[in-house]
Amino acid sequence: KNQVEQSPQSLIILEGKNCTLQCNYTVSPFSNLRWYKQDTGRGPVSLTIMTFSENTKSNGRYTATLDADTKQSSLHITASQLSDSASYICAMDGGSQGNLIFGKGTKLSVKP
Amino acid sequence: KAGVTQTPRYLIKTRGQQVTLSCSPISGHRSVSWYQQTPGQGLQFLFEYFSETQRNKGNFPGRFSGRQFSNSRSEMNVSTLELGDSALYLCASSHGTGIYGANVLTFGAGSRLTVL
Repeated sequence: KNQVEQSPQSLIILEGKNCTLQCNYTVSPFSNLRWYKQDTGRGPVSLTIMTFSENTKSNGRYTATLDADTKQSSLHITASQLSDSASYICAMDGGSQGNLIFGKGTKLSVKP
Repeated sequence: KAGVTQTPRYLIKTRGQQVTLSCSPISGHRSVSWYQQTPGQGLQFLFEYFSETQRNKGNFPGRFSGRQFSNSRSEMNVSTLELGDSALYLCASSHGTGIYGANVLTFGAGSRLTVL
């Protein structure tokens, strides 16, 4: 079954600290792996898109990595800011129908 | 440049009724896709339209339907509403040929449906 699982479910960190969010998948085949940020009450905003052949993609303080051997992706946030408080969602274009399959997200809270 | 606009933002319906939600994509975007977001299931893909044709569909019952007009605006309809249909319904538009390929999806703010 094609699944995307994210961990942890929630995370609290202090402002200025780094953190890493995990995404494990069983989706096969897949073409792209996407990371989104979703603020409360708003739609998701695209952070990174990686094809299956890429290993890393950065967008400012956000860096996504992909390890196709272990079927894991991670999103690393550097020097966190209060505005980073949001849900972070991993999604993949894949499976037999090529649909977007989403993880349930990690809720990040950055405290001053 | 205007973003993706969804209307209405909030609505309350009762079981058995039907509802129509609207999505206006970013100008020039020809692909519109729809998603359901609930606390329990997270985001789930409903369907995607490109140039007025449904190109892909998720695992939802036939009560969920949609269409796309010649100006790329899209509507989704849910008939015979059930309590479990309460959710945030999101649409996204993209410039390219839909969710395939590394196209950036731009999401709207969503329509929050409550079914009583």
